[in-house]
Amino acid sequence: NAGVTQTPKFQVLKTGQSMTLQCAQDMNHEYMSWYRQDPGMGLRLIHYSVGAGITDQGEVPNGYNVSRSTTEDFPLRLLSAAPSQTSVYFCASSWGQLNSPLHFGNGTRLTVT
Amino acid sequence: AQRVTQPEKLLSVFKGAPVELKCNYSYSGSPELFWYVQYSRQRLQLLLRHISRESIKGFTADLNKGETSFHLKKPFAQEEDSAMYYCALKDGNNRLAFGKGNQVVVIP
Repeated sequence: NAGVTQTPKFQVLKTGQSMTLQCAQDMNHEYMSWYRQDPGMGLRLIHYSVGAGITDQGEVPNGYNVSRSTTEDFPLRLLSAAPSQTSVYFCASSWGQLNSPLHFGNGTRLTVT
Repeated sequence: AQRVTQPEKLLSVFKGAPVELKCNYSYSGSPELFWYVQYSRQRLQLLLRHISRESIKGFTADLNKGETSFHLKKPFAQEEDSAMYYCALKDGNNRLAFGKGNQVVVIP
């Protein structure tokens, strides 16, 4: 099993550009989520999904879109990148039970200039 | 909404000394609490969850509902314990909220 796979590992964007961060998991997990990690801020939830076709907003959803057309994939879209979106992005997945731990991807380091 | 507080950003300890990372939470429901660890250049990974009541790599954490705390402890720090540690709380919608993290540096 590959677990949670994120691509790309690094990305540099200009302000206003759009891009999609990819996330795929091969563990048949129902729950998937996106976090951003910023110094001194910890990890903050952007969007999450409890199953295919279902998505919801987290703590910091503005500027990001998601979709969940399959169980395996949960892409994160930046429609018009801003410097404030410079961050490290982590995708994570888990089973639906409350005591199930999250499995994280390796992260995508995004810089917006 | 749930909230997780980790008061110290940076904790430096000597090898062999005890380590305690404080975590307090606020949540109106019954909490599911976790500690995650991120070693240098590695992905975040689960260290402990309160429901398991186990010791992992010498670390333990006890849920104290009266004090709304879930402090992480290890009696004797090792150099390989140097990492970023996050306390996290899962709500009834399966959303995991993280604290701001503690950077632990173990001095040889």
